[in-house]
Amino acid sequence: GAVVSQHPSRVICKSGTSVKIECRSLDFQATTMFWYRQFPKKSLMLMATSNEGSKATYEQGVEKDKFLINHASLTLSTLTVTSAHPEDSSFYICSASSGDRNEQFFGPGTRLTVL
Amino acid sequence: GQNIDQPTEMTATEGAIVQINCTYQTSGFNGLFWYQQHAGEAPTFLSYNVLDGLEEKGRFSSFLSRSKGYSYLLLKELQMKDSASYLCAVMDSNYQLIWGAGTKLIIKP
Repeated sequence: GAVVSQHPSRVICKSGTSVKIECRSLDFQATTMFWYRQFPKKSLMLMATSNEGSKATYEQGVEKDKFLINHASLTLSTLTVTSAHPEDSSFYICSASSGDRNEQFFGPGTRLTVL
Repeated sequence: GQNIDQPTEMTATEGAIVQINCTYQTSGFNGLFWYQQHAGEAPTFLSYNVLDGLEEKGRFSSFLSRSKGYSYLLLKELQMKDSASYLCAVMDSNYQLIWGAGTKLIIKP
C-alpha cells in the first residue's frame, strides 16, 4: 500500500516557539493532503485540506495564520504551528490522497507537547 | 448537520465475535470507511464500502446499507491485538471525510 511518513514523530517545545511538521508521500504523488488534530480520547478533527500548488482550505475555527500549511510539491506538505501554546498540545496526523478520492493514506502522526 | 454515531466502548472475549455498528447522516455519500487506531498511533485502513452488502477480508468484514444509513464492522476470532479504537468515517458529496468519535474495543482473555 501507499506509504506516508511524518517528521518528527514527537516534539516538545516551549510556549511561544514555532514547530514545523513534515508530511511526505513516499511512493506516490499526493495531489491532496489533509491535516488532522486529535485530542486524547477524541475523534480526528480535520484542520485543513491542501492541494499541491494552491492555498490550503481551512476548516471553520482553525486559524490559518497560526497553522501555516505549505504543499509545495506532490510529495511534501508542511504544517507550521506558530507561536505554540500549551493548548496546541495534541496529536497531529496528516493523510494523503493520490487523486483517487476514495482513499486517504495516513502518516504515523506527530505528538506535540508545548510546555 | 452531518452526524456519525457509533458506540463509545465495547468489551468482548478473546476468540469471540464482535459487531461494531455505525449510523450516519451526511450531505451525500461517496463511501464509508472503517479504520483501526491503536492508542498513540495514527489510524490504519480496514475497509471501504460504497455499495450495499458485505465485504469480507480475513477476520474482518464490513457491511453497508445505504438506504438505512447503516454500517457494521464484524471482527471474528478476536485476538488481544484487536484491542483498539475503531473509527467509522463517511465521505460526503464534497469528498470530505466525516469522522465518528470511534468505538474503543476492549478484548478480555
